[in-house]
Amino acid sequence: KQEVTQIPAALSVPEGENLVLNCSFTDSAIYNLQWFRQDPGKGLTSLLLIQSSQREQTSGRLNASLDKSSGRSTLYIAASQPGDSATYLCAVRGSGGGADGLTFGKGTHLIIQP
Amino acid sequence: EAQVTQNPRYLITVTGKKLTVTCSQNMNHEYMSWYRQDPGLGLRQIYYSMNVEVTDKGDVPEGYKVSRKEKRNFPLILESPSPNQTSLYFCASSPAGSNTEAFFGQGTRLTVV
Repeated sequence: KQEVTQIPAALSVPEGENLVLNCSFTDSAIYNLQWFRQDPGKGLTSLLLIQSSQREQTSGRLNASLDKSSGRSTLYIAASQPGDSATYLCAVRGSGGGADGLTFGKGTHLIIQP
Repeated sequence: EAQVTQNPRYLITVTGKKLTVTCSQNMNHEYMSWYRQDPGLGLRQIYYSMNVEVTDKGDVPEGYKVSRKEKRNFPLILESPSPNQTSLYFCASSPAGSNTEAFFGQGTRLTVV
């Protein structure tokens, strides 16, 4: 069964720093990987979707990479801002789940200090 | 605007009183799912549906029912809620296919006392 791990579980950095969030998964037979942002009491906002054939995706200050063979993805946030404070979730879609087959990590709780 | 809409956003109820959480999507997606999110456990899939009248159990289906009579709607039914069903619930939808993007609703915070 697919397992997704996110490291670190929590991270607090000063504003302006570049940072990397890590996601690893145990079964490399995935169709895609999605990074989400979750604000307290709010829903999940999709940030980036990487297909299994892709190596990376970029959106603004965010860059996500995928190394399917090693079971790893990273989310790079450039020039962090207090508004980036949220929980970031990684989810992989593979053959192990129902319909959408999404397996989630437990998230990285990020705090950007002004 | 393309979206997944859940109602209600917040609900406090008593043990044993039947309730329904509605979910509707306006993107004509085939796939819809329900998840619950609990501290330390992350998001876990409750039920999913691949199309109208096609539903199946996810990882934690006990105590829940679903129906998919229309493509856009996928209600979650708790026939006899218990305190261990206190959680944050999310509905999701995606187009058919193995490599499509999932879209999530805003969540429903349920408390069962």
